[in-house]
Amino acid sequence: NAGVTQTPKFQVLKTGQSMTLQCAQDMNHEYMSWYRQDPGMGLRLIHYSVGAGITDQGEVPNGYNVSRSTTEDFPLRLLSAAPSQTSVYFCASSPWEGAGSNYGYTFGSGTRLTVV
Amino acid sequence: DQQVKQNSPSLSVQEGRISILNCDYTNSMFDYFLWYKKYPAEGPTFLISISSIKDKNEDGRFTVFLNKSAKHLSLHIVPSQPGDSAVYFCAASDSNTGNQFYFGTGTSLTVIP
Repeated sequence: NAGVTQTPKFQVLKTGQSMTLQCAQDMNHEYMSWYRQDPGMGLRLIHYSVGAGITDQGEVPNGYNVSRSTTEDFPLRLLSAAPSQTSVYFCASSPWEGAGSNYGYTFGSGTRLTVV
Repeated sequence: DQQVKQNSPSLSVQEGRISILNCDYTNSMFDYFLWYKKYPAEGPTFLISISSIKDKNEDGRFTVFLNKSAKHLSLHIVPSQPGDSAVYFCAASDSNTGNQFYFGTGTSLTVIP
């Protein structure tokens, strides 16, 4: 049971480059989300999805795009990387039954991104 | 604006003693709370939860207490073990808006053998 798989684990980008952080889960979870973790800031929600074809913005969506074409995959795209996007990125998933569903998340192991 | 706050960045405790980690929140609509544990180079893992209809929930060595009037929750670990050394995050959600959790900044716990 793989759970939530994130690739790559580490990445260095130059300012202005683009890249996609991959996230896949094999638990048939409807809800998936992306967080970034920065020192002194905790985990902040970037984007989330409650099912295939449905995405929405979180607290810090600027500079990131997402799409959800399948239940399993939820990639995060950086269109033009900036040093402010240097962070550790976590993908998470959980079951979803609409408002009132409060399931804990299963997190991936993270992607450490450095933008120089 | 941080809706969930963990004001102690770090905590050191002797093995066998009690560890108490604290968390405060500002949004009175939050009605479900979780604690996560995170080891270096790993993702957070779910530890224990509590809903607002309770004021206490126990799971083995871990107990979470909720004080709704004070908008405060705490995690007690008794007895503390060296393997408990990790960063602990509290998280809160408003069930009316679904499964979106707000996280605190984390407290790094070190249990000294």
